[in-house]
Amino acid sequence: DGGITQSPKYLFRKEGQNVTLSCEQNLNHDAMYWYRQDPGQGLRLIYYSQIVNDFQKGDIAEGYSVSREKKESFPLTVTSAQKNPTAFYLCASSLARLGTGVSGANVLTFGAGSRLTVL
Amino acid sequence: AQSVTQLGSHVSVSEGALVLLRCNYSSSVPPYLFWYVQYPNQGLQLLLKYTTGATLVKGINGFEAEFKKSETSFHLTKPSAHMSDAAEYFCAVSDGIIQGAQKLVFGQGTRLTINP
Repeated sequence: DGGITQSPKYLFRKEGQNVTLSCEQNLNHDAMYWYRQDPGQGLRLIYYSQIVNDFQKGDIAEGYSVSREKKESFPLTVTSAQKNPTAFYLCASSLARLGTGVSGANVLTFGAGSRLTVL
Repeated sequence: AQSVTQLGSHVSVSEGALVLLRCNYSSSVPPYLFWYVQYPNQGLQLLLKYTTGATLVKGINGFEAEFKKSETSFHLTKPSAHMSDAAEYFCAVSDGIIQGAQKLVFGQGTRLTINP
């Protein structure tokens, strides 16, 4: 079955350490996204990428970095510059086609999430 | 910029009762609207979406939502609640398509509790 795999599911980090969250998809989707979820705040977009070797900042990119070296993979690094990194992180993907409007192809598929706790 | 407001962070209903989760949006362009459901410690699953056409949209698990442009609303309903409906529900509006990548703006979520 196709889907999105996030790892690890739970991660603990000491202050001052960088950590990298993995996101892999086998849906042949072009676009990938990282969202952060905090209680009572919904989901906020960190970064997104519509094509390999290109990515864009979302609404809360400070303290995070990403790479998109392969279509299937979009890892997120939470750096020590992120002041409040404890959160639930969700990766998503969508089948993007240039020049098209919203359609079923633009529905986001989500992974199961990674919960990061800073000790 | 688009925004979404979900009225009520917690909603509690009895099993078999009507479920109504409220969502209002603001958008400078014709909106594309979505409802997602999240079970504990899991990702989000699409319930239904409105893009164009029929304003009453049916989704999975017996849920439906009606797009009302005059009220800028997209409320989610289910006629009879089931215990398995207990979850968190998110309304989202598309913030645009950037070269195919779709940016969604989410509401803060509504946690639905079902009482036996």
